[in-house]
Amino acid sequence: GAGVSQSPSNKVTEKGKDVELRCDPISGHTALYWYRQSLGQGLEFLIYFQGNSAPDKSGLPSDRFSAERTGGSVSTLTIQRTQQEDSAVYLCASSRGLDEKLFFGSGTQLSVL
Amino acid sequence: KQEVTQIPAALSVPEGENLVLNCSFTDSAIYNLQWFRQDPGKGLTSLLLIQSSQREQTSGRLNASLDKSSGRSTLYIAASQPGDSATYLCAVDPGNTPLVFGKGTRLSVIA
Repeated sequence: GAGVSQSPSNKVTEKGKDVELRCDPISGHTALYWYRQSLGQGLEFLIYFQGNSAPDKSGLPSDRFSAERTGGSVSTLTIQRTQQEDSAVYLCASSRGLDEKLFFGSGTQLSVL
Repeated sequence: KQEVTQIPAALSVPEGENLVLNCSFTDSAIYNLQWFRQDPGKGLTSLLLIQSSQREQTSGRLNASLDKSSGRSTLYIAASQPGDSATYLCAVDPGNTPLVFGKGTRLSVIA
């Protein structure tokens, strides 16, 4: 596609439910990143995929968070047993490779009630 | 651990004024530095990328400088316009690891 696409754009869920957030990167981009942006805070790195290498999961805040990238393209970020502190904007970005310019999607606004 | 700081957190200027946004980072061993713009409810748009070997990059009314040894970068916006109102984020690429972002400067350009 022309840009990074994220869905849904907004998600409201109840505490304790699981959610899945989707990211379609720019075609041909081998690197894909997930970041989280909370109100008044900077971007917090969550996880990073590069080609067929093992993902860098060092930013995931707990084992309730996981992500996968199928076929080197679409990625899904899953949050299990959501908590209110998970409420944030989840941003996906892709690039041609590590250390290249990043292109961001519009994000998914997650609200946990 | 690399830390990125942006000062001020918010800035309001009249239309037409030239302005400078500041970014500082704690570890000078960086691969590159990027400046992004974020509009409310939107993702980030990359404005300028400066490689560690470069001193500055220019795009239209924007000029970004990099002083790696002192751990500083500035984003200069000439002849500001109301359409420049947004949050500007600085991000440092430590090399082979994901970008480290500052918290941003929220700019308001008043017509």
